[in-house]
Amino acid sequence: DAMVIQNPRYQVTQFGKPVTLSCSQTLNHNVMYWYQQKSSQAPKLLFHYYDKDFNNEADTPDNFQSRRPNTSFCFLDIRSPGLGDAAMYLCATSREPWTGGWQQPQHFGDGTRLSIL
Amino acid sequence: GEDVEQSLFLSVREGDSSVINCTYTDSSSTYLYWYKQEPGAGLQLLTYIFSNMDMKQDQRLTVLLNKKDKHLSLRIADTQTGDSAIYFCAESNKAAGNKLTFGGGTRVLVKP
Repeated sequence: DAMVIQNPRYQVTQFGKPVTLSCSQTLNHNVMYWYQQKSSQAPKLLFHYYDKDFNNEADTPDNFQSRRPNTSFCFLDIRSPGLGDAAMYLCATSREPWTGGWQQPQHFGDGTRLSIL
Repeated sequence: GEDVEQSLFLSVREGDSSVINCTYTDSSSTYLYWYKQEPGAGLQLLTYIFSNMDMKQDQRLTVLLNKKDKHLSLRIADTQTGDSAIYFCAESNKAAGNKLTFGGGTRVLVKP
């Protein structure tokens, strides 16, 4: 009964070859997030969608893009992966923040580990 | 900006209690979270506490919040080998929407 599903779990791509990671959710949450986590580091937020409204973090490289065709799916596109983009990519979802006066926690998928050859 | 700090490593014997500590700087922090990350996996939400609470207990987990000192701790009673993982403390506040600021994580190793 996985609720936030990321595919694939492991992805290998070549230097400079575009790659897409996918995330789907069965929670019907408004908000979907993409994080990058490098080895032994905390997750770093890249961007998030609030419904169809895209919110980019100021320091997210232009090389990273995202699409959300519907409520359930969100994609992370890396246009020209460099060696420094090798990392675990985590998708998370939450209900609309501060629903009912309470903050809504984020629920994470198991991640996709991206390797660059 | 906000900063969240954790010690890097904790070693504990199976059956003992573990205490993982976290400090934060943002006095407007409203919610504080503990996430668990097992090797090769995503983050599992363990528990969270609202800033007007001092303590929250959930089975083997006890969260203590000292808002004056901006100190958060997670106590795991009767630690098991399955508790070996990295534990992340995170904070958020209303001004930042739902954005989480994570600490660097504490690696907990449970020895039999």
